[in-house]
Amino acid sequence: DADVTQTPRNRITKTGKRIMLECSQTKGHDRMYWYRQDPGLGLRLIYYSFDVKDINKGEISDGYSVSRQAQAKFSLSLESAIPNQTALYFCATREGQGFNEQFFGPGTRLTVL
Amino acid sequence: AQKVTQAQTEISVVEKEDVTLDCVYETRDTTYYLFWYKQPPSGELVFLIRRNSFDEQNEISGRYSWNFQKSTSSFNFTITASQVVDSAVYFCALSEAIYNTDKLIFGTGTRLQVFP
Repeated sequence: DADVTQTPRNRITKTGKRIMLECSQTKGHDRMYWYRQDPGLGLRLIYYSFDVKDINKGEISDGYSVSRQAQAKFSLSLESAIPNQTALYFCATREGQGFNEQFFGPGTRLTVL
Repeated sequence: AQKVTQAQTEISVVEKEDVTLDCVYETRDTTYYLFWYKQPPSGELVFLIRRNSFDEQNEISGRYSWNFQKSTSSFNFTITASQVVDSAVYFCALSEAIYNTDKLIFGTGTRLQVFP
């Protein structure tokens, strides 16, 4: 089984709908992240969490919210989806100590019509 | 401010050619980490290498090699004898220690296409 899983893998929704993207990990890492990837822009950080009680905004948090339900689960919500939130979303985890690499989930492709 | 520039948007080569992907970074910190990730057509992100700012030794792993030069703020990636399976988007990323946020700042990526 994959260490970092994301559900759903693909989602098409309409403008104004609320949508939640879920991330689960079995790596036992404290740190979790949400990124979005847009063509030609690379990956940009939306939110990150150092533990269940420590959640921080990234560079593009407007229009998004997150919930860290447990060490292993980190959800991203779009309260009222808009077309420019159409993107590929990645969840990532990292071991807390040092500056080790981040491990990424398979991604969720979200389309907002 | 921290920044990562991958000036090559797309590179096309024929199998067995060597190819170098460029990465130039900007940082005010003296302690930082550089990474390369591979994103194959299937879409996942695969970690390739991490290098800290105090270790300027070049690294070789099979057909992959990395050249880190602090003097030019570059961390270039070379694939020797490229293969079709190397076709992917490659991202360079920077993490600064000073902020203790371990945010990864990604470049915009270089799409490598290797033709048979």
